[in-house]
Parts: sequence; structure tokens; C-alpha cells
Amino acid sequence: AQKITQTQPGMFVQEKEAVTLDCTYDTSDPSYGLFWYKQPSSGEMIFLIYQGSYDQQNATEGRYSLNFQKARKSANLVISASQLGDSAMYFCAMREANTGNQFYFGTGTSLTVIP
Amino acid sequence: DTGVSQNPRHKITKRGQNVTFRCDPISEHNRLYWYRQTLGQGPEFLTYFQNEAQLEKSRLLSDRFSAERPKGSFSTLEIQRTEQGDSAMYLCASSFPLGGGGETQYFGPGTRLLVL
Repeated sequence: AQKITQTQPGMFVQEKEAVTLDCTYDTSDPSYGLFWYKQPSSGEMIFLIYQGSYDQQNATEGRYSLNFQKARKSANLVISASQLGDSAMYFCAMREANTGNQFYFGTGTSLTVIP
Repeated sequence: DTGVSQNPRHKITKRGQNVTFRCDPISEHNRLYWYRQTLGQGPEFLTYFQNEAQLEKSRLLSDRFSAERPKGSFSTLEIQRTEQGDSAMYLCASSFPLGGGGETQYFGPGTRLLVL
């Protein structure tokens, strides 16, 4: 089974609007971390936001917030007030605290911000 | 600049040749990871070091691949007898462990390999 599933290969959003990128995960480890990374066309992976499995509140970092629904095993990224520079690939990732040190990545969502 | 650096950024080689990539992590990070990323996919884990010890290797890492981190600082990834299927972006990341899955990796710019 896939550890991380991103079902939206491509998304479009109007500049200044909000957009939600979906991510679901699969783990039996009670302690895990969830991450979102942005990968522009230049190729470098840029860390955006982190959510721990025991965190009570949804993580926020500037215009990024993580909609963490533990029972549904989903960790959707919300980008508010989209900017042209947000156009990139976005990857959801997970690390399980007790079952090794691998980070598992999804297949990514390509976001295009339309002016 | 104190980020993760990788060299070279691009490498074109002929099938059957050996190639070596270098990664310099963030200086205070004791963990270092190598990933491979092909077009349209997310990064796939290859191997992981804590200090100089290679603690985990993926089944993706065939015997043609070897990685070292001799003094717990920089790391090298060597691919021997390259094949066209090795063409990919090779990403390095470093991190410092926190508890409860809270380890955040910081990635380098990657080395893009093309095997002709």
C-alpha cells in the first residue's frame, strides 16, 4: 500500500485565491510527522510546513496551513492568497518515528497560479 | 550560504561509465539522506547516514551504487557501470533529529544525471 497518496496530479488557482492540495497517508505507527515540500522548476525541494501526529492544533506557516484530520489520515495543504511564485510541484511526505528513518513522499501535485 | 550543496549540478555520461556525486550537508546536521527522483515522481529513498555510519539502505540501491560519509561530514554517492535507467535527479538532504517524527530535512539542489 502507498504510504502517501496525492490524488491531484494538477491544480489551477486564480491569483489571490486560496487552494487546497490533498494528501492522505497510511501508517500504523502512532508517532509520525507529516511534511509538505515545494519543488519549483529549478528542482530544489523547499520545506514548507510540518505537523506532528500528537500536535493538537493545525500547523501554520505564513500563507501555508495544514488541515490535519487524524481520523481520516489526511494532511491537506492550504495555500491562502496564491501568488504567481507559488506555481510549482508540491509533495506531501511522512516519517514514522518508530519504524526506521525513511521519509515517504507522494507523487506530487503540480500547482499553476493563473494571473 | 549554510544550506545543503551538491556537486556537480548536472552530469552527462555514457552507459558503462562510473560517476560520483558529492553532497555537503548543513554543518550541524548529523543525518544525511540520498534520494532518487525520476520525472513525474516524488523522491525515492536510497540510503541514510547518521554521522559516518550508513544505517539504512533501500532495496532500490543495487550493488552498483555505493555511498560513503567518511568523516561524518560530506557524503559521496558513486554509481558504477551506469545504465540508462539510472538517469534521474539525485537529491541529498540533511537533518538534525528531534523527537516524535519531528525531523525536518533540508534538501540540496540535486544532481541531474543523464546516461546516454
